[in-house]
Amino acid sequence: GAVVSQHPSRVICKSGTSVKIECRSLDFQATTMFWYRQFPKKSLMLMATSNEGSKATYEQGVEKDKFLINHASLTLSTLTVTSAHPEDSSFYICSARVTGGMFEKLFFGSGTQLSVL
Amino acid sequence: DQQVKQNSPSLSVQEGRISILNCDYTNSMFDYFLWYKKYPAEGPTFLISISSIKDKNEDGRFTVFLNKSAKHLSLHIVPSQPGDSAVYFCAASAGNMLTFGGGTRLMVKP
Repeated sequence: GAVVSQHPSRVICKSGTSVKIECRSLDFQATTMFWYRQFPKKSLMLMATSNEGSKATYEQGVEKDKFLINHASLTLSTLTVTSAHPEDSSFYICSARVTGGMFEKLFFGSGTQLSVL
Repeated sequence: DQQVKQNSPSLSVQEGRISILNCDYTNSMFDYFLWYKKYPAEGPTFLISISSIKDKNEDGRFTVFLNKSAKHLSLHIVPSQPGDSAVYFCAASAGNMLTFGGGTRLMVKP
């Protein structure tokens, strides 16, 4: 199947710093990528939908100025957590959908565990 | 409020037996349902899906049942194998929105 690479897999940072997470579709082009967040024992919660060449669409309650999303190419989307605080500690995971594909063609990265001290 | 719920966080089954993973939803607009499987340190991968116009879909050892009136779906794995040990996510879609449950960790014991 298609491969989505997410990097880094784990990051520990100090409060107030910014962290960038990359999501790459390695063998297909993805006009749409999705960013999720998962708290322990909770669901994968959609944060935003990233569209290549245009602004991301954020879900209700997600601060767009805090979680900056850039989808500059058909194979790369980045999520930057700005001025991170301990409450931002969570598991972040991206996914990319094959252009024109249904959700069966939704491929996930392996996730990033963010710990903010 | 979670629209898709997997009430059992974990399930332990003996190899060769049937595994039944359950999922409940509240939004009647959901019209397509999927199960994803996730191994440690990997992203979820698509396993099986079912449209709301069906009540059953089978793929090898995996069968998904949908009870629309009860807003309930289940994933049956038979016979269960140790390699099936993973976290299973139920997901439901309405249009372009996909909503996930919290996952159930399945452990298949040899």
